[in-house]
Amino acid sequence: ILNVEQSPQSLHVQEGDSTNFTCSFPSSNFYALHWYRWETAKSPEALFVMTLNGDEKKKGRISATLNTKEGYSYLYIKGSQPEDSATYLCAFYNGGSQGNLIFGKGTKLSVKP
Amino acid sequence: GEEVAQTPKHLVRGEGQKAKLYCAPIKGHSYVFWYQQVLKNEFKFLISFQNENVFDETGMPKERFSAKCLPNSPCSLEIQATKLEDSAVYFCASSQFSGTIGTDTQYFGPGTRLTVL
Repeated sequence: ILNVEQSPQSLHVQEGDSTNFTCSFPSSNFYALHWYRWETAKSPEALFVMTLNGDEKKKGRISATLNTKEGYSYLYIKGSQPEDSATYLCAFYNGGSQGNLIFGKGTKLSVKP
Repeated sequence: GEEVAQTPKHLVRGEGQKAKLYCAPIKGHSYVFWYQQVLKNEFKFLISFQNENVFDETGMPKERFSAKCLPNSPCSLEIQATKLEDSAVYFCASSQFSGTIGTDTQYFGPGTRLTVL
């Protein structure tokens, strides 16, 4: 059974704070790690697909790093805004021919104005 | 279209009734995936298609669930004789194919919330 763990489960920060959370995944048979931003009742929004150890990707104030040898990825948000409030999901792909993603349970971020 | 469309948004069924959900993938995308979100935030893979062919159905409950992707029609997920535990949000996603399927971005629709009473 492949487990993808995300921590913390939930996070409350003040507007302007920078924050980060973790996604842990099996380090063997790594192919890709996906990050999504999801607001309830909306479509999960693709943020990053990371494939290389040491990869670092950035989209505005959000960035992510990847360590495939130890099996973790960090997502950082700089200067959080209320509109960043959402659940951040990571999903792991282990190279199976099927291509389906294995999701973590997400980190729910609330940013207070 | 430029977005994955799912209909209906909400579906309510009595236990034992049939439920049918639809998904229109992004135009030009070869792959369609269905995921079931039952417990809070837990996305469980059900089935995937490469064009109209089933690519992987290892996540599908064999007895009551079926799915199709026919040419020039939205893809569909059908549940015969729904049970209470089928209550969930069903998400559809589509992706292009650039070489290794799981490394392509999967674009998600907004989901269909199925409530079985």
